[in-house]
Amino acid sequence: DIQMTQSPSSLSAYVGDRVIITCRASQSITTYLNWYQHKPGRSPRLLVYGASSLPTEVPSRFSGSGSGTDFTLTISSLQPEDFATYYCQQSYDTPPTFGQGTKVEMK
Amino acid sequence: EVQLVESGGGLVQPGGSLRLSCAASGFTFSSYDMHWVRQAIGKGLEWVSGISYAGDTYYPVSVKGRFTISRENAKNSLYLQMNSLRDGDTGVYFCARVESGRYEAFDYWGQGILVTVSS
Repeated sequence: DIQMTQSPSSLSAYVGDRVIITCRASQSITTYLNWYQHKPGRSPRLLVYGASSLPTEVPSRFSGSGSGTDFTLTISSLQPEDFATYYCQQSYDTPPTFGQGTKVEMK
Repeated sequence: EVQLVESGGGLVQPGGSLRLSCAASGFTFSSYDMHWVRQAIGKGLEWVSGISYAGDTYYPVSVKGRFTISRENAKNSLYLQMNSLRDGDTGVYFCARVESGRYEAFDYWGQGILVTVSS
């Protein structure tokens, strides 16, 4: 199975901060890398697919980059509604696997 | 509007069985691969099973032989039959749609249903 490792596991930030979350795959997954936002009691929400593409409803302050084994999710200016847990997921091979999550908390 | 609504969760004893359902609407269900993903309390997301639009099924080692995913396209419904349940199967179970045009991402998710395995 392809292992996905996120860092950091958690971070504290202020509204308006730039936040960067990284995700590393145990082998090349080209750009089959997706990011999700998950809030307690809610459904996970697709934020980025194919490493860098955003669904139309996702705000442009979110961006994704990377290919091969190393990827990043960037929030350019953290908003109050962005405090949540973020997961990367590879869809290159079965089984699909998730990173362990990065919890973004308010400072 | 795409909607996925899970049902069938609850409390079950270790070794018992439970069948989850996911009712889909707002899209052509028969054209999409569908999956189940779970989250143990306080833990991350874990893929549980998948079924292609053609009916091919996939499982991780942790549930293979105990869980069975199926679909009934005429009823726009996805199912997960869970047998020989263990404490470690406790969690919130989500059904999710896969969009092949979006790098096989899980683009829509249900609200989740709680499964508790406990004596």
